Amino acid sequence: QVQLQESGPGLVKPSETLSLTCTVSGGSVSSGSYFWSWIRQSPGKGLEWIGYIYYTGNTNYNPSLKSRVTISVDRSKNQFSLRLNSMTAADTALYYCTKSRWGTYYAFDFWGQGTLVTVSS
Amino acid sequence: NFMLTQPHSVSESPGKTVTISCTRSSGSIASKFVQWYQQRPGSSPTTVIYENNQRPSGVPDRFSGSIDSSSNSASLTISGLKTEDEADYYCQSYDSSNQVFGGGTKLTVL
Repeated sequence: QVQLQESGPGLVKPSETLSLTCTVSGGSVSSGSYFWSWIRQSPGKGLEWIGYIYYTGNTNYNPSLKSRVTISVDRSKNQFSLRLNSMTAADTALYYCTKSRWGTYYAFDFWGQGTLVTVSS
Repeated sequence: NFMLTQPHSVSESPGKTVTISCTRSSGSIASKFVQWYQQRPGSSPTTVIYENNQRPSGVPDRFSGSIDSSSNSASLTISGLKTEDEADYYCQSYDSSNQVFGGGTKLTVL
């Protein structure tokens, strides 16, 4: 059973860059059968897809966030990471890392427990 | 870009059947698969339906999904409602550049 664990700072100052890491166990980010995504959920609100990465390093980002987002993969550590720059209060959210269903990029079948990120000075 | 619109909330009694709709604003609902996720308070979302009408292993057959091209919408139907079904439900689909979630529907089983 795949497990995903997000890690990173819980508090970020406005204008700074958020860096989060997702550590994968029970599976491999080097598998060609899966895509690895970041999704966030603002307090009391719905879900927003941020972007995904494939083991080759190919990425796709939400157009509304594309100018501020970078997702990378570290196959040696079995991790993938999110960087989101120019943070504002609107970026305060619970950030999830996810694994796609086998052979798809559009169905998220394993989710981490999420890590809460607050943007405040 | 497109949006997925869901009712904010629905409620029904135990043992009854409820249907949650998800309407796509532009582009055909049939052009890309629709997924449905259940999120209980304090928990991460889990998949109850993928690829319009497929159930992951472990999801009871009380959960079913469908699409209707005439209304450009997808539906999640839960029959034989149980109190444990009380949760938020999100539909999700995609296009060539984006993955989009509906705003979520709070299901109350009372």
